[in-house]
Amino acid sequence: AQSVTQPDIHITVSEGASLELRCNYSYGATPYLFWYVQSPGQGLQLLLKYFSGDTLVQGIKGFEAEFKRSQSSFNLRKPSVHWSDAAEYFCAVGDQAGTALIFGKGTTLSVSS
Amino acid sequence: EAEVAQSPRYKITEKSQAVAFWCDPISGHATLYWYRQILGQGPELLVQFQDESVVDDSQLPKDRFSAERLKGVDSTLKIQPAELGDSAMYLCASSLAGVSYEQYFGPGTRLTVT
Repeated sequence: AQSVTQPDIHITVSEGASLELRCNYSYGATPYLFWYVQSPGQGLQLLLKYFSGDTLVQGIKGFEAEFKRSQSSFNLRKPSVHWSDAAEYFCAVGDQAGTALIFGKGTTLSVSS
Repeated sequence: EAEVAQSPRYKITEKSQAVAFWCDPISGHATLYWYRQILGQGPELLVQFQDESVVDDSQLPKDRFSAERLKGVDSTLKIQPAELGDSAMYLCASSLAGVSYEQYFGPGTRLTVT
C-alpha cells in the first residue's frame, strides 16, 4: 500500500540551529514528492517539490530537500531556523499528474530562543 | 497572486444538522480536491473532480456526504446529518492537471460538531 511516514511527531530546535525533518515513502511507481507547511488554523503552503532530475531541490523560505531513491526518503532541511518557522510540516507523495496526494501525519516544529 | 477561496472559515453546528462548505478554485484549474484533516493528522482525500466530473470519491462517506461541481468551476461539499466525528478541517485544493502537478490549497473550513 502507498504510504508516507514521518517518524518524528514533534521536534524542538533552537533558533539559528540547523533542521532536518524526515520523510519516508512507500510507492509503487516513480514518486512525485512534496513538502507542505501549515501554520495553526491555516491551509497548506507548498515549500518544495520533486518530480525528476536533480535530487537536491530548493524551495521557498530557505528550505531544501534531498530525494534518495535507495532509502525511499525525502528529508527536508534548513541550515538556520527562524522563530517564524514554527509550524506543522507535511510530506506528501503522488504519481501521475492529477492524482490526489497521500500525506504523512506531520511533524510539529517548535523553535526555542 | 491567485488563491483558492473557501467559506466559511469556521462553522459550529449541532449533531444531526446539515452543513455546507464552498470552494472557489484558482481560475482555469480543472482539477479540484476536497480533503479532510482530523486534528493531529495529515489531510486525506474525500473527493476529486476533473471539471464537473467526479474522478475519485472512494473515501467519501456517501450516506451523509455529497459533493458537486455543477459548472466545473466552484464546488460545494455537504454533510447531512453531521456527526461528532465529522469535526475536522475541510481543505479544498486545485491544480492544472496535465500541466502542473502542483496542488494549491485554500485556507480551509474548521468544522466543530457539538
